[in-house]
Amino acid sequence: QQPVQSPQAVILREGEDAVINCSSSKALYSVHWYRQKHGEAPVFLMILLKGGEQKGHEKISASFNEKKQQSSLYLTASQLSYSGTYFCGTGGSNDYKLSFGAGTTVTVRA
Amino acid sequence: NAGVTQTPKFRVLKTGQSMTLLCAQDMNHEYMYWYRQDPGMGLRLIHYSVGEGTTAKGEVPDGYNVSRLKKQNFLLGLESAAPSQTSVYFCASSYRVVTDTQYFGPGTRLTVL
Repeated sequence: QQPVQSPQAVILREGEDAVINCSSSKALYSVHWYRQKHGEAPVFLMILLKGGEQKGHEKISASFNEKKQQSSLYLTASQLSYSGTYFCGTGGSNDYKLSFGAGTTVTVRA
Repeated sequence: NAGVTQTPKFRVLKTGQSMTLLCAQDMNHEYMYWYRQDPGMGLRLIHYSVGEGTTAKGEVPDGYNVSRLKKQNFLLGLESAAPSQTSVYFCASSYRVVTDTQYFGPGTRLTVL
């Protein structure tokens, strides 16, 4: 079942922060985050596993709330290079595949 | 180390024509996937494979067939193309499933007229 991402789109000025949420109706074992630039393939950002810690990648970090089956991606002090569409992919412990959300388009302006 | 490659990069078909998209990976990954991406729809899984000689249906398998005769290759076939199959197709592979990164190919942009 496809996870739900919110918001669908966000516009930021350089230096501002944003939060992207990913919610699932099924029990999750892992949440993956990817970023896709226009016309390119999705690029891996990070994986969060059940029972794991919050992770970070430069000024992009994420958390995983196992009880709520939710993950949040935090963009801190955004840079122009953060523009793109962010996807979450979710999987249960017995899954052979991920389910991806519809994506959140982030536009960072100077 | 090329990672995941896809051929062709672009293709235009007429309704009813057939074609095969090739995905190759050189990372010795067991798991391979075919997705289609349409505006506002995210990535939807067409078919996947958990190892050489195996295939399984994803969310949107109708109109597509796949084969994985060699571990490094995963082929996606369209027997009779329809305009609804106009999309960008991505192949991906991973060593494990839910605990490992999926590496994506550069994509194939297919237009069916």
